[in-house]
Amino acid sequence: DIQMTQSPSAMSASVGDRVTITCRASQGISNYLVWFQQKPGKVPKRLIYAAFILQSGVPSRFSGSGSGTEFTLTISSLQPEDFATYYCLQHNNYPWTFGQGTKVEIK
Amino acid sequence: QVQLVQSGAEVKKPGASVKVSCKASGYTFSTYAMHWVRQAPGQRLEWMGWINAGNGNTQYSQKFQGRVTITRDTSANTAHMELSSLRSEDAAVYYCARASNSQWLARDIFDYWGQGTLVTVSS
Repeated sequence: DIQMTQSPSAMSASVGDRVTITCRASQGISNYLVWFQQKPGKVPKRLIYAAFILQSGVPSRFSGSGSGTEFTLTISSLQPEDFATYYCLQHNNYPWTFGQGTKVEIK
Repeated sequence: QVQLVQSGAEVKKPGASVKVSCKASGYTFSTYAMHWVRQAPGQRLEWMGWINAGNGNTQYSQKFQGRVTITRDTSANTAHMELSSLRSEDAAVYYCARASNSQWLARDIFDYWGQGTLVTVSS
């Protein structure tokens, strides 16, 4: 199985900060990577697919990059509504696997 | 608009089975896949398996092989996930999520999710 490891697992940040979350795959997955945002008690929401394509309706402060084994999700200027947990998902190989999540908290 | 509506919360005893339903609307059900993902309290999302809603072919995570069965009813535009031999570790929120039948078609991967079904396992 492909292991997906996110870093950091948790972080504190302030409104307006630039935030970068990394997701590393244990083997190459091309660009078959999706980023989700999940708020407590809510359904995951897709932010980015194909590693860098912004989901329609998602603010442009979110961006994704990477290919192969290393990927990043960047929030250019953190907003109050962005405090949440972020997950990556690889769909290059079965079983599809998620990262352990990165919780972004208010500093 | 696309909607996935799941069945309600369940309370089951250890050793029992649970069957969760996911009714789709707003798109042609048989031209997509339906995946099942679960999330135990405070844990990461975990992929369980999927079904090609057109031909009924399935694939499961090895972790759940032998205990999970995913089926679909095309006349009702509904997918089902049954998990047997429940144990306390199976207590989780179970989600259905839509995807294309091709894992390479990124555009459609998990673009829509059901609202989740809480499964409690308790004696």
